Amino acid sequence: SQQGEEDPQALSIQEGENATMNCSYKTSINNLQWYRQNSGRGLVHLILIRSNEREKHSGRLRVTLDTSKKSSSLLITASRAADTASYFCATDGRTSGSRLTFGEGTQLTVNP
Amino acid sequence: ETGVTQTPRHLVMGMTNKKSLKCEQHLGHNAMYWYKQSAKKPLELMFVYSLEERVENNSVPSRFSPECPNSSHLFLHLHTLQPEDSALYLCASSPGLPNYEQYFGPGTRLTVT
Repeated sequence: SQQGEEDPQALSIQEGENATMNCSYKTSINNLQWYRQNSGRGLVHLILIRSNEREKHSGRLRVTLDTSKKSSSLLITASRAADTASYFCATDGRTSGSRLTFGEGTQLTVNP
Repeated sequence: ETGVTQTPRHLVMGMTNKKSLKCEQHLGHNAMYWYKQSAKKPLELMFVYSLEERVENNSVPSRFSPECPNSSHLFLHLHTLQPEDSALYLCASSPGLPNYEQYFGPGTRLTVT
């Protein structure tokens, strides 16, 4: 399977609720990044977490990284309708050179 | 989003046409990328340029030809494409290589008829 697999594939929640998305990967990484993409648009970088970091915050976003389990999670707190988008994790493997490997994404729908 | 621009935003071309996609970044970055995004598939890296030198060519068919005349501009020349090449083509830039966050343009929606 692909390096950087998101779970779930789709998530539907109500405004104000928290949304948690997970990412698993297979090989050792230098860092892991999360991106957001609104329908048919370019990706927007959200947060980068390095392999020696365990948790990082940015506004309503919280990212955790567990290198022993090769997994990461993205938590969006107090979600808003504007958070509706696809969310991708991307890994920068230690043997992948300049390549970022993206997962297939989680489609988040926040209902007003 | 205005840090990386792409033109055109939409393109419809026949299989015998030749067209070019243009990307420009206004961020002073040294690395630029082309990605292909097809429905139901992960983002696929096509090419990577660092300081105008191609550093990665991810087994892309020769009907796609990149060009990077300077660190701010990146082109993707297209010729004799196939219908399966229809996709969203995304350009990105980053301060350098490796391990940096990437900044994406809005993409060109390409339809090959």
